[in-house]
Amino acid sequence: DAKTTQPPSMDCAEGRAANLPCNHSTISGNEYVYWYRQIHSQGPQYIIHGLKNNETNEMASLIITEDRKSSTLILPHATLRDTAVYYCIVRPGGTSYGKLTFGQGTILTVHP
Amino acid sequence: DAGITQSPRYKITETGRQVTLMCHQTWSHSYMFWYRQDLGHGLRLIYYSAAADITDKGEVPDGYVVSRSKTENFPLTLESATRSQTSVYFCASSESTGAGEQFFGPGTRLTVL
Repeated sequence: DAKTTQPPSMDCAEGRAANLPCNHSTISGNEYVYWYRQIHSQGPQYIIHGLKNNETNEMASLIITEDRKSSTLILPHATLRDTAVYYCIVRPGGTSYGKLTFGQGTILTVHP
Repeated sequence: DAGITQSPRYKITETGRQVTLMCHQTWSHSYMFWYRQDLGHGLRLIYYSAAADITDKGEVPDGYVVSRSKTENFPLTLESATRSQTSVYFCASSESTGAGEQFFGPGTRLTVL
């Protein structure tokens, strides 16, 4: 699986957009980019995933560069409840491979 | 209630004892997973299962045993608990393709004395 690199921590003011970067320079053609987050003491929560097109859902937007070597998760209006560890994960698609490999993630702290 | 549940939520045991952590999901998802989370290591996959009676090792399977006799249940057994198995354990499930999102349970905090 391709490895990912994320900054260990980031801060964001409440109400502002939080932009979380992820580098995955060794990503291969069939690998998807997934984002999960983990709020303190809870199980990880799925946010969004994509292959090469930008994606948006009710929680966030995912911007993947054209060469697919990096991506950015955007929380458009961060709230205090968005304070969490955010994990960027790259994994193959298809039916035979369901494993997620979690790295250290980015600790996002949203300030009032 | 619908969803994925784990029991017990907290467990304290002694070295050498057998411990079973339970995981139950109500979605009939084919895939189920067990992870452990330790400070400095993030989440690491212990075992996973693609369907009933089909299981496979993950990254850190030593010291653990799993079974999957029913689709909805995926118990994890520590046959002889060791202090190094003190951790938070998360169970997860995903739909039949295995490529979609995984839904995680609330976790079991296990302490081995």
